[in-house]
Amino acid sequence: GAGVSQSPSNKVTEKGKDVELRCDPISGHTALYWYRQRLGQGLEFLIYFQGNSAPDKSGLPSDRFSAERTGESVSTLTIQRTQQEDSAVYLCASSLWGSSYEQYFGPGTRLTVT
Amino acid sequence: QKEVEQNSGPLSVPEGAIASLNCTYSDRGSQSFFWYRQYSGKSPELIMFIYSNGDKEDGRFTAQLNKASQYVSLLIRDSQPSDSATYLCAVKVSAQKLVFGQGTRLTINP
Repeated sequence: GAGVSQSPSNKVTEKGKDVELRCDPISGHTALYWYRQRLGQGLEFLIYFQGNSAPDKSGLPSDRFSAERTGESVSTLTIQRTQQEDSAVYLCASSLWGSSYEQYFGPGTRLTVT
Repeated sequence: QKEVEQNSGPLSVPEGAIASLNCTYSDRGSQSFFWYRQYSGKSPELIMFIYSNGDKEDGRFTAQLNKASQYVSLLIRDSQPSDSATYLCAVKVSAQKLVFGQGTRLTINP
């Protein structure tokens, strides 16, 4: 079956612009996660969704970052007034709901803020 | 102290040898531990998970967990050049939240 998909694969934007990143999880996966990975670094947790509810938003770096999810499908991560330090790969993952289920990652969106 | 710590490497191992990757974590209450492999420019993929103290073997991979020492490791036997990648240790700190280490870059030399 289809895996997690993300779009766009690459995004170059000017400092101060807003960007939207999209994630399509695996069908039937109720849990969806967003991570940020800076060059040469590990994954930084941003937010996760159970269905369209976000129980844990603790990882969002600032109020410029927001995310929403429509039902148990597509999620968008929005970064307002982008800054150069926002440049990173943004990874989305999905899983079945439950602590023991594997998270499957999408290919990521590489964001470059100039 | 970071929640999950790994030596960033690079770790260089000759082909056919055993590669040993280590990870320590700070939350003594953590129960679930994962190893992900990430090839350059690709997304992470799960290779092993472990919940209980001791060893867990899957093919050439062995995960080892010592909760008393807050230490988890990954051994790769008979290392192959295709094992060259960054290996990310992840610890589940709540029902759904994983915290990742910064990763160890492993290079297998033919």
